[in-house]
Amino acid sequence: GQSLEQPSEVTAVEGAIVQINCTYQTSGFYGLSWYQQHDGGAPTFLSYNALDGLEETGRFSSFLSRSDSYGYLLLQELQMKDSASYFCSGGNRDDKIIFGKGTRLHILP
Amino acid sequence: EAQVTQNPRYLITVTGKKLTVTCSQNMNHEYMSWYRQDPGLGLRQIYYSMNVEVTDKGDVPEGYKVSRKEKRNFPLILESPSPNQTSLYFCASSFRVNEKLFFGSGTQLSVL
Repeated sequence: GQSLEQPSEVTAVEGAIVQINCTYQTSGFYGLSWYQQHDGGAPTFLSYNALDGLEETGRFSSFLSRSDSYGYLLLQELQMKDSASYFCSGGNRDDKIIFGKGTRLHILP
Repeated sequence: EAQVTQNPRYLITVTGKKLTVTCSQNMNHEYMSWYRQDPGLGLRQIYYSMNVEVTDKGDVPEGYKVSRKEKRNFPLILESPSPNQTSLYFCASSFRVNEKLFFGSGTQLSVL
């Protein structure tokens, strides 16, 4: 089957760093994307890794290792507004897009 | 402003009454897709379209239809809605399948 696995919840402290992992079992995988969704809102794009390695966008970084079928999203200098759900997703050779079930990030003051 | 416009935002209907959720994008995107979001299940793809007149099933297509007669529009049709189709629906578009997805604001559907 094709799936992306990520933890259901993660808790961190304001100002700290948190990593959200995503492991996948998807054939013909094109790459890994990350989306953020606040309660009541639509998902918004954060980053995309087409190749192995680290991509950095401000406080957010994303990493992909194709050989390990693994990626992660790293959030630095956490702010209360980062409290949201985070989804990893990937496209496959059938042009379908598959999402993980999402990780709810709780931030403590 | 680049956007995906999805309507309506909320919809309450009864079992068996046909409905259409509209989706339109103004970015000349080739790839458009529909998702349903249920608690604990994340986003699941219903249908997708690579271009005009090209549509294909996602992971959960049963009970849904789509059409892509124009590049900008990709309506979702429920011919005979049932209560198990009560969900939050999102339309999304991108230039290609694995590029940045732009999402509509969502449609909360309740089928009684």
